Amino acid sequence: AQKVTQAQTEISVVEKEDVTLDCVYETRDTTYYLFWYKQPPSGELVFLIRRNSFDEQNEISGRYSWNFQKSTSSFNFTITASQVVDSAVYFCALSEGSGYSTLTFGKGTMLLVSP
Amino acid sequence: NAGVTQTPKFRILKIGQSMTLQCAQDMNHNYMYWYRQDPGMGLKLIYYSVGAGITDKGEVPNGYNVSRSTTEDFPLRLELAAPSQTSVYFCASSFGRTMNTEAFFGQGTRLTVV
Repeated sequence: AQKVTQAQTEISVVEKEDVTLDCVYETRDTTYYLFWYKQPPSGELVFLIRRNSFDEQNEISGRYSWNFQKSTSSFNFTITASQVVDSAVYFCALSEGSGYSTLTFGKGTMLLVSP
Repeated sequence: NAGVTQTPKFRILKIGQSMTLQCAQDMNHNYMYWYRQDPGMGLKLIYYSVGAGITDKGEVPNGYNVSRSTTEDFPLRLELAAPSQTSVYFCASSFGRTMNTEAFFGQGTRLTVV
């Protein structure tokens, strides 16, 4: 069975600080995909990134970066120079390669960025 | 381009009442999903469909039913509402299996059962 753990329930930072959101996953499949979604206070889910299990290269997109390490089953998300607009709940999710794969979500990390 | 549209956005039900949450997508996606989100618990899969006429249970299907008569629509039915079904419900769709493609989510339906 697949599982996603986001141990940080809530993080508070001051604007311009860097912050890292942790994600640890469990799966028996060798082929799988990892995702990050953002849920702002308005409630919708916004797709941020998808990474497959064969690609361990780090990804950078503007102030966002992702560190995928298969050795530790982690897919951590870093926001550099955080802004108030980054305040949201962030979900890490996993989709396995076998069968009709569906997304399994972690419980989410609430990020609060203060001015 | 509307994407995934859910109706209603908010609803209050009395215990024992029934209702249908509507979900429609205009992207010609084969795969559709219903999730519920409880505070601090992330999203849990209720039901999913891999095409018209094909549905299957997810992690928390009890108390719900679905049908998929067309590619576009995937309604979720609550037959006898219970307080435990108070939650935010999200419908999603994807062209292929979520491992290969991005899943698009609706805006959510906030349901309260009193």
